[in-house]
This record gives sequence, C-alpha cells and structure tokens, in this order.
Amino acid sequence: DVKVTQSSRYLVKRTGEKVFLECVQDMDHENMFWYRQDPGLGLRLIYFSYDVKMKEKGDIPEGYSVSREKKERFSLILESASTNQTSMYLCASSPAPGDSYSTDTQYFGPGTRLTVL
Amino acid sequence: QQPVQSPQAVILREGEDAVINCSSSKALYSVHWYRQKHGEAPVFLMILLKGGEQKGHEKISASFNEKKQQSSLYLTASQLSYSGTYFCGTERMGGGNKLTFGTGTQLKVEL
Repeated sequence: DVKVTQSSRYLVKRTGEKVFLECVQDMDHENMFWYRQDPGLGLRLIYFSYDVKMKEKGDIPEGYSVSREKKERFSLILESASTNQTSMYLCASSPAPGDSYSTDTQYFGPGTRLTVL
Repeated sequence: QQPVQSPQAVILREGEDAVINCSSSKALYSVHWYRQKHGEAPVFLMILLKGGEQKGHEKISASFNEKKQQSSLYLTASQLSYSGTYFCGTERMGGGNKLTFGTGTQLKVEL
C-alpha cells in the first residue's frame, strides 16, 4: 500500500513564526502536492513538485514556499505564519504519468491541522 | 477554476440512491472521485478517463460525459458507511496529474 505520512496531526503556532510541514511518501512517486482544505472551499492546491528540486506554483501559493531535496520528502514552509493560514494541510503523491496524461491518482496523507494564534 | 459540484449536501435514508454531479468549464482528460470521512484523508474511489467507459464497483459507479465536461457519481442502495464528503478532482488536457478539486458534497446516510 502507498503510504504518505505527515509530521504532525495538530500544530499550534504564533503569528510571525516560521512553520515547517513535512511530508514523506514511501512509493518512489515522482509527483508530490500540498493542498489546504477549508470548509466550503474544498481542496486548493498550494504547490506541487514533479521531481527533486523542481517546484511549481499551484492556485494559492502566496505566503508559502516549498522544498524538495529528496524524492520522498516534500516540505511546505510558512515564512511568517498569519492567522488566515489556519487550516487543514494535506499532502499527496502520485506516480509520473506515462505520457502527458495520467491513469493513476493521487494518494493523500492524514493531514496537519494548523492553528495560528 | 474549480469544478462545480452539486448538490452541496444530501441526507439519505439507508437503502436510498443518490447522484452527485461535477461540472467543469474546461476540457478534461480525467475525473477522479474521492470520499473523505471526518478527520481522515481523502480516499480514492475511481477514475473516469476521456474516451473511457463508465466505471463502478459494488454499488458505487460513475460516468463521464465528455461533451458536457461533466461527471456523475451514482450511489445505489446507500449504506451508513457511505457517509462522508465526496470530492471530484478534474485533470485538464496536458495536466500532468495536477488535479483541481470541487468544493465537495456532504452525504449523510441515516437509519
């Protein structure tokens, strides 16, 4: 089974702190994704990565950055946490598509509920 | 732009059927369906591919209308275990497995 793990289930930080959320997958997947999930808004893509040291902005990248130094690990960084970044953060991974299109899906971690006070 | 899901919420009695719709304004290559229970990660249900057939397993099936860029998830003879929030994730042509998710449909099955 694919396993995606996230470093914390719950996290409480103060405004202005630098926050690191870690995600590790054990299936040698090329693609990794970070989403935030808010009530009524569904899952929104923050950043994604197709390979080590490669990253692309998603739909809501403002206030976030990412790092992927190893294939299995994808980190989300909040440079200066703000209260509007209080949310559930979900990491996902997927294998690279065989051509331009995928026939496989994304596998999600359990999520980190971040509260910024 | 996020795909539009309808309805936003539905309550069923055990044994009843439901249909959840997902519509996109963009040309799609695939639609992925997930179910998420409270406090848990989204769990993959099925993929519908452009040019593919209707998929299904047990009492949950789905279809993809390429002309309308719309997918529907069919839940028949619902069980209590079907309760949760259902999300569709759409992949555009050339999307490289990048999905855009709808806002979700909350489904509650009662006795």
